[in-house]
Amino acid sequence: DAKTTQPPSMDCAEGRAANLPCNHSTISGNEYVYWYRQIHSQGPQYIIHGLKNNETNEMASLIITEDRKSSTLILPHATLRDTAVYYCIVRVADYSTAGNKLTFGGGTRVLVKP
Amino acid sequence: EPEVTQTPSHQVTQMGQEVILRCVPISNHLYFYWYRQILGQKVEFLVSFYNNEISEKSEIFDDQFSVERPDGSNFTLKIRSTKLEDSAMYFCASSEEYTEAFFGQGTRLTVV
Repeated sequence: DAKTTQPPSMDCAEGRAANLPCNHSTISGNEYVYWYRQIHSQGPQYIIHGLKNNETNEMASLIITEDRKSSTLILPHATLRDTAVYYCIVRVADYSTAGNKLTFGGGTRVLVKP
Repeated sequence: EPEVTQTPSHQVTQMGQEVILRCVPISNHLYFYWYRQILGQKVEFLVSFYNNEISEKSEIFDDQFSVERPDGSNFTLKIRSTKLEDSAMYFCASSEEYTEAFFGQGTRLTVV
């Protein structure tokens, strides 16, 4: 799986949009971008994933650049409960092989401040 | 909303003892996983399980570890002879085919 690079930490104001960047310059054509978060020591929570088109769900939006070498996770109105470590993970979408595990990096520690 | 359930939430065991961590995956899911997170470190993949057999395992998953799906609902991780360095949060996850994995809340294993 391709490696990802994320800033180690960032602060965000409550009620404002949080934009979390991720670089994945070696991503392959069959690799998806996944975002998970981990609040304190709880189990990782799935947020969103995409291949090349922008995606939106009730939690967040995912913007992937045209060359797919980077992406941005957007939390539209951050709340204090969004304080967590956010992981950007690139993952092969090929379930016929063993390529369906998630490889977690260090993530971005996001602190939402009042 | 369906969720992955893990028991116990906290397990304390003596070094050298066997421990079994239990998970109930989401009912229609086909793929099952165990991950662990040592305090302050990254979440690490241990093993994936599909169609009643291991589909992939990491270097961490050595002979002291085993997984089993003893019935139609439970998925277990057994550590045969625990060491101090096995102290960690252990997360179970499950997924349908071609979809994202959902994680349980974890079991904190403390080896003393």
